[in-house]
Amino acid sequence: EDQVTQSPEALRLQEGESSSLNCSYTVSGLRGLFWYRQDPGKGPEFLFTLYSAGEEKEKERLKATLTKKESFLHITAPKPEDSATYLCAVQAKKHSGYSTLTFGKGTMLLVSP
Amino acid sequence: DAGVIQSPRHEVTEMGQEVTLRCKPISGHDYLFWYRQTMMRGLELLIYFNNNVPIDDSGMPEDRFSAKMPNASFSTLKIQPSEPRDSAVYFCASSPSRDRGYEQYFGPGTRLTVT
Repeated sequence: EDQVTQSPEALRLQEGESSSLNCSYTVSGLRGLFWYRQDPGKGPEFLFTLYSAGEEKEKERLKATLTKKESFLHITAPKPEDSATYLCAVQAKKHSGYSTLTFGKGTMLLVSP
Repeated sequence: DAGVIQSPRHEVTEMGQEVTLRCKPISGHDYLFWYRQTMMRGLELLIYFNNNVPIDDSGMPEDRFSAKMPNASFSTLKIQPSEPRDSAVYFCASSPSRDRGYEQYFGPGTRLTVT
């Protein structure tokens, strides 16, 4: 069974204080790892897809990296508007048919001015 | 594109009543998903469709839940009869065909409260 564990559950940062969120996963062959951002009262918003170990993707102050066992979402010099819950999801490889996503419970990030 | 559209945004109903949630996916997307989100269990997949056909409904908690997709631009999730433990946020998401990527795009959700 595919599993995703995110840590920490909650993180409070001062504006400008860089940090990383962790997503550890167990999957029988990874097709893709997805990062989403979710603001209160809204649906998850797609950020990145990573497909293979060593891959990195960046968007503004966010950089996602991938190893064979975990992914990190690095936040550089965060601003209050980066406050949100960040969700990680994995998709396993299947020989045929569609493989659904397994989501972690998320990390709630609060950035104070 | 307007993105995934869901209605209503909020629904408050009494136990035993029928509830119908609605979703319009992104035009051209082949896959449609219904999820439920709670604090305790996070995001759970209930059912998904490919080209309007239900593929996997193993996440549907009970026979009280049913979903349909009569055409490529509309889907419903129905709960009959509703119970207090069904209170949650229900999301609809859509995804393009497999050769165009596996990213799922979520709607704003319907917050359901059953009293």
